[in-house]
Order: sequence, then C-alpha cells, then structure tokens
Amino acid sequence: GAGVSQSPSNKVTEKGKDVELRCDPISGHTALYWYRQSLGQGLEFLIYFQGNSAPDKSGLPSDRFSAERTGGSVSTLTIQRTQQEDSAVYLCASSRRAGAIYEQYFGPGTRLTVT
Amino acid sequence: SQQGEEDPQALSIQEGENATMNCSYKTSINNLQWYRQNSGRGLVHLILIRSNEREKHSGRLRVTLDTSKKSSSLLITASRAADTASYFCATGGSNYKLTFGKGTLLTVNP
Repeated sequence: GAGVSQSPSNKVTEKGKDVELRCDPISGHTALYWYRQSLGQGLEFLIYFQGNSAPDKSGLPSDRFSAERTGGSVSTLTIQRTQQEDSAVYLCASSRRAGAIYEQYFGPGTRLTVT
Repeated sequence: SQQGEEDPQALSIQEGENATMNCSYKTSINNLQWYRQNSGRGLVHLILIRSNEREKHSGRLRVTLDTSKKSSSLLITASRAADTASYFCATGGSNYKLTFGKGTLLTVNP
C-alpha cells in the first residue's frame, strides 16, 4: 500500500473491556513494530515482528498485551481487560527488514482512551 | 529506559530563525536517526547518520554526530511555521531496535 495504515484512529473503551488494534504495513516490508506513546512522552517499544515471528516480546507491559501477525502482513495488538493506564497512542511502523539501520515508516496511530 | 535525551524539551522561535536541537545518548550506536511528529500522530523519518559519519545535510536540515561525546544535533535553517512539530532522535545499535528519546517540541511563530 501507499503507507502504513492503522485502525481505528480513535478508540474509547470502558475499563475491563478488551480491544484490538490493527496495523497494515507497507507492502513488501518484512519487519513490523508496535510502540506506545503516552501524553508528552517518547515512544515506548512494545514488540516487533520479522515475518510472522516475534523474536522479542519483552517490551509488552503485561500479559494482558499480546500481538500477532499473519501472512507476513497485517498485525493486531490486543489488550485484554483494559486499564486506565493503557490510555495512550499506539503507533505501528514497518521497515523493509528488521534492523536499526533501516528507516521505519509510521502509521498515524490509534488513540486509545480507557474510561 | 530511554537511550536518547533531547535538549531542550521545548523551543520557540520566530519564522526565519534557525533552530538547533540536541540529543545525547549513553551506549555505543550503529546509527542515529531523527524523526518529526506532528500533532501526536505518526512519525516521519528525517535523516539517518551512521556512526562513522560526522555531518549530514538534507535540504534545510543539518545533522552532526560526535561519538566521542555521544551527542548529536539537528539544525533547521530558515525555519517556517510548518516546521512546528516534535522532533525525536532515535539510536540504533547492533540489533533491530531503535530507541527513541522524549523529543523536543519546536514552535515556529509566524
């Protein structure tokens, strides 16, 4: 596709509900990254995929967070039993390959608000 | 923990002036990248400088890297109101990961 897309752009949910955030990377990009950005803060790395595999999940804040990627393309980030501290903008990025040398292309993000 | 730390946290200048933002980091790096973020949404890649480079230019942007001081600077010349954004440095090591700082909020007043 033309760029990285994410959906929904905004999500308001009640505490305790589950949410799914979707990321559609640039076609042909094998690496996909999820970040979280709280208000006025930098980006907190969550997880990355090389193909469908997630070699490093250590950035996920708790076991309520999970992510998967299918077909080497679309990825979903699932947050179970949401808490107010989960409120943030969730950003997805893709790059041609995994590696810090490669430029990352970011989607517009999903702003999650947990009430 | 954050690797890069940008300085200043916020910068306000007049259109036409130059803006300089700094980034310091702690560990050895393979490269350093600068990104821009408008209105808290997606980031846009600006420039990448490798650890064996000292200076790089792209349009009105000039980036320097001093690995002995573990610091980098981003200079925007002849700033425009459209340059108003948050600017982040991100450091890349030997693995896959980019580590982002907290950013500098630049405001360019018309």
